[in-house]
Amino acid sequence: AQKVTQAQTEISVVEKEDVTLDCVYETRDTTYYLFWYKQPPSGELVFLIRRNSFDEQNEISGRYSWNFQKSTSSFNFTITASQVVDSAVYFCALSERTQGGSEKLVFGKGMKLTVNP
Amino acid sequence: DAGVIQSPRHEVTEMGQEVTLRCKPISGHNSLFWYRQTMMRGLELLIYFNNNVPIDDSGMPEDRFSAKMPNASFSTLKIQPSEPRDSAVYFCASSLFFAQRFYEQYFGPGTRLTVT
Repeated sequence: AQKVTQAQTEISVVEKEDVTLDCVYETRDTTYYLFWYKQPPSGELVFLIRRNSFDEQNEISGRYSWNFQKSTSSFNFTITASQVVDSAVYFCALSERTQGGSEKLVFGKGMKLTVNP
Repeated sequence: DAGVIQSPRHEVTEMGQEVTLRCKPISGHNSLFWYRQTMMRGLELLIYFNNNVPIDDSGMPEDRFSAKMPNASFSTLKIQPSEPRDSAVYFCASSLFFAQRFYEQYFGPGTRLTVT
């Protein structure tokens, strides 16, 4: 079965520090998708990124960047120059193919990031 | 564009009562998911539908839980009878599943259920 491990449960940084959130996954699928979601204190889950297993190119979006390394089964997320508004719980997720060809997401336990002013 | 809509946002009920949570997915999405989130167990997938058909309900805790999707724009999750351990935030999410390609799920704001 698929598995997503977010080893860090909680990180606290000071504003403007860079922070990397680790995500390691296990899968037997040859084609799969990886995702990151953000859950701010208000509670909603916000989609951040989707990555196809065939696309190992790193991605940057503003202060956010993602490092996908298939060789180590990792999909790490870096926030550069963190801000207080980045405080949230961040979830990494992996697609899992099910019977009938459908797919569902397997989520990690989440990592709580606190950015202090 | 309207996102996933859930109602009610908050529900407080007494043990033994029936609870119905509602969800309207994003128009055009053909997959719908119900999740439950608690501090102890994190985010759990309860059931999901593709094209209104339940695909996997292995996450449904027990027979007290049931879900329906009578059409592409509406789904319900019902708990009958409710118990205090059902207290959690229930999320509905929708996505597009097409030609064996899996797209991101968009989540609703959640329903915070408290059973006393």
